[in-house]
Amino acid sequence: DSGVTQTPKHLITATGQRVTLRCSPRSGDLSVYWYQQSLDQGLQFLIQYYNGEERAKGNILERFSAQQFPDLHSELNLSSLELGDSALYFCASSVDGGGFTGELFFGEGSRLTVL
Amino acid sequence: EDQVTQSPEALRLQEGESSSLNCSYTVSGLRGLFWYRQDPGKGPEFLFTLYSAGEEKEKERLKATLTKKESFLHITAPKPEDSATYLCAVQAEGSARQLTFGSGTQLTVLP
Repeated sequence: DSGVTQTPKHLITATGQRVTLRCSPRSGDLSVYWYQQSLDQGLQFLIQYYNGEERAKGNILERFSAQQFPDLHSELNLSSLELGDSALYFCASSVDGGGFTGELFFGEGSRLTVL
Repeated sequence: EDQVTQSPEALRLQEGESSSLNCSYTVSGLRGLFWYRQDPGKGPEFLFTLYSAGEEKEKERLKATLTKKESFLHITAPKPEDSATYLCAVQAEGSARQLTFGSGTQLTVLP
């Protein structure tokens, strides 16, 4: 158990809809990362937050947005969903302070299916 | 653009049969190279960080090495519980904490 909690584990919805994925980082971790994993694209970095502020942005679509709240949990909002958005969405957190070691603690993911 | 290529895509070994997985990378200044293990239905689990060419890290039956163009994950006398997908990732200079992952090598160790 990594200590990172993601909900829901599975989500099935229709094209054009909007969903929200939730993530609680490990206790004490200030950084939260969102990654998308699909069969054809592998694990793709979407966005990083640190203590409530956006720190880095990857290949995140304009239809997607995220935020990190004062209690450090984070939400990823996906809107105007398309079939191609079907994927596993992972949240990860990391220890902060000092140098970045590359050690991310991943949750078990939210599997999104768009029909 | 940073690129990470892993080979082979899949590998089947008999228990005890040692082998190596390859990770080739192209990055504008390597800040770190990372190995992760991913079990089916789970999130990736961190294994190693390598920072510079010539560096090696070991953990149980796994040993990771790094050159200026590639990294190898050597698996010595594997056991069935080593079956998983092994992911390689790089962090480029100036990329904050954004990791670029390869598509992984799916390892199956048969008893």
